[in-house]
Amino acid sequence: IQMTQSPSSLSAFVGDGVTITCRASQGISSALAWYQQEPGRAPKLLVYSASILQSGVPSRFSGTGSGTDFSLTISSLQPDDSATYYCQQLNSYPYTFGQGTKLEIK
Amino acid sequence: EVQLVESGGALVHPGGSLRLSCAASGFRFSNYDMNWVRQAPGKGLEWVSFISDSGSTTYFADSVRGRFTVSRDNARNSLFLQMESLRADDTAIYYCAREVVVGRPFDYWGPGTLVTVSS
Repeated sequence: IQMTQSPSSLSAFVGDGVTITCRASQGISSALAWYQQEPGRAPKLLVYSASILQSGVPSRFSGTGSGTDFSLTISSLQPDDSATYYCQQLNSYPYTFGQGTKLEIK
Repeated sequence: EVQLVESGGALVHPGGSLRLSCAASGFRFSNYDMNWVRQAPGKGLEWVSFISDSGSTTYFADSVRGRFTVSRDNARNSLFLQMESLRADDTAIYYCAREVVVGRPFDYWGPGTLVTVSS
């Protein structure tokens, strides 16, 4: 299953909201997770089952979607949201990742 | 506190072998499926391998199948990745990650260990 994220990069100001999309090449129900990776760090789980927020993740992050189309929305951007974001399908092996979306906070 | 710590990364020649380890603590290791994920320098994440909680089931990415094997020692809370016939495109940071039952996401990751394949 191929996962296609868009955009590959974006920039926004503190306080803005942004949306990252992820499209699966075939239906994956709601078996999708989103991760945040800061430079030099391991990925951090944000959302799983497409829309369930991982414990401890700020409510500014939200995920939606099912089937083939998914999105991650970050509202009220903060400086430490600057990172690369990845989607991952967990419907079947191999558990493929999207190519990543690099978010720059201006 | 859940902790995963990888070790064993090194510089190895093409065609060589390497064994990575992942030490787990802070949770009942034997209850969790585990995965290896890698990231080539400046690139995205690539899932590499899965092993079930008992070790009885394993899966591999096409890019490593037949060259890598995964195992675990639940008595020692350890996960392993045996890598053979290494190639330049295996150069990456290798992460071990815990998989949870609900939704199957990877909720904890180690800091990673760097494998460099170069002559």
